[in-house]
Amino acid sequence: EVQLVESGGALVQPGRSLRLSCAASGFTFDDYAMHWVRQAPGKGLEWVSGITWNSAGQVYADSVKGRFTISRDNAKSSLYLEMESLRAEDTALYFCAKAAGDSYFDYWGQGTLVTVSS
Amino acid sequence: EIVMTQSPATLSVSPGERATLSCRASQSVSSNVAWYQQKRGQAPRFLMYGGSNRATGIPARFSGSGSGTEFTLTISSLQSEDFAVYFCQQYNQWPRTFGQGTKVEIK
Repeated sequence: EVQLVESGGALVQPGRSLRLSCAASGFTFDDYAMHWVRQAPGKGLEWVSGITWNSAGQVYADSVKGRFTISRDNAKSSLYLEMESLRAEDTALYFCAKAAGDSYFDYWGQGTLVTVSS
Repeated sequence: EIVMTQSPATLSVSPGERATLSCRASQSVSSNVAWYQQKRGQAPRFLMYGGSNRATGIPARFSGSGSGTEFTLTISSLQSEDFAVYFCQQYNQWPRTFGQGTKVEIK
């Protein structure tokens, strides 16, 4: 059974940093690209970032480019999102998602909540 | 970026009836559209890819159609567990973008 478990969400002040983690199990992690998708409270889904299976390529939404860094550790079956210079508009539930095909998402974690507020 | 527009925002349907959800892309995305279902407090659930291909384990009452800029998700006979929010997503171009969602509620 595929499982994705996010952690690291917290209440942080604007301008601060935070690192999210996603522990994957139930599939061969290093065969697949992985992504982060977020959902602001009561809002829709926003794709944030993705990384290839071998970390050779990373892509970012314009809203986070230059502030967020995606990475992975295939030996630990883990995905990460390093978030810097956090803003109030980054407040959201952050989902880790496994990529299928050409970057649609066939499995999702339950999310970890990031709240940016003073 | 490609804007995905879903309509209607809310669809009120009685159990057993058909629901038809629309998704329009601001430019052609070929058949590169996926659909997801999200219930309150839960993660999205993958339903469909390639516009019309059901994901593993998705009941046959869910069907998809469309290509180019116009896409449709149809639920042929709504069951109680189908009342949820549905999102479309294009994966033809970066950034990947989602529609704003259609809420299917009980009439």
